[in-house]
Amino acid sequence: DTAVSQTPKYLVTQMGNDKSIKCEQNLGHDTMYWYKQDSKKFLKIMFSYNNKELIINETVPNRFSPKSPDKAHLNLHINSLELGDSAVYFCASSQEGSTNEKLFFGSGTQLSVL
Amino acid sequence: KQEVTQIPAALSVPEGENLVLNCSFTDSAIYNLQWFRQDPGKGLTSLLLIQSSQREQTSGRLNASLDKSSGRSTLYIAASQPGDSATYLCAAPQAGTALIFGKGTTLSVSS
Repeated sequence: DTAVSQTPKYLVTQMGNDKSIKCEQNLGHDTMYWYKQDSKKFLKIMFSYNNKELIINETVPNRFSPKSPDKAHLNLHINSLELGDSAVYFCASSQEGSTNEKLFFGSGTQLSVL
Repeated sequence: KQEVTQIPAALSVPEGENLVLNCSFTDSAIYNLQWFRQDPGKGLTSLLLIQSSQREQTSGRLNASLDKSSGRSTLYIAASQPGDSATYLCAAPQAGTALIFGKGTTLSVSS
């Protein structure tokens, strides 16, 4: 009964490949996010979706494309993977998308690009 | 643009000590600030969400304060335990976007 679950937990792949990370939340929240935590542990917002609509799109390469088939799911597809994409990617959700709400995080996907 | 800084980056204390973690932010036009805990290999867990009108928020042995005028927040942990060992991150909102996180303070409590 995990609130925010993402798969896979670990992803090792070669440069140039395309990969996807899936995220699902069972909290009934309207808003979902993708965050990236780099090797220096710096956590940075990438995208947010509210009820399947893109709300936040920070300066992220076009190779990253989020997709939200419904408000309980937000997947992240990455094309032509590069060494610099290696990081931990966290999915999160909140009730309405206000910064005045608690954020609930998944356990992360550690992506290693070789 | 909001920037969040946390000092110290790492802290080691013996069990039972009271301690304070510091967080500073550049844009004081915020209505709230949130403290999170991150355990190794896991996601973040929200500990406290403090409103600017509250100035303080308490949960068990944790107490967070917020001073907008000085651009600072503190997380006070009373009677620390080994189970408190983790990285603690604070996050402040940036208008129009989402939460901006500090790099965290990694706490180690020895028994």
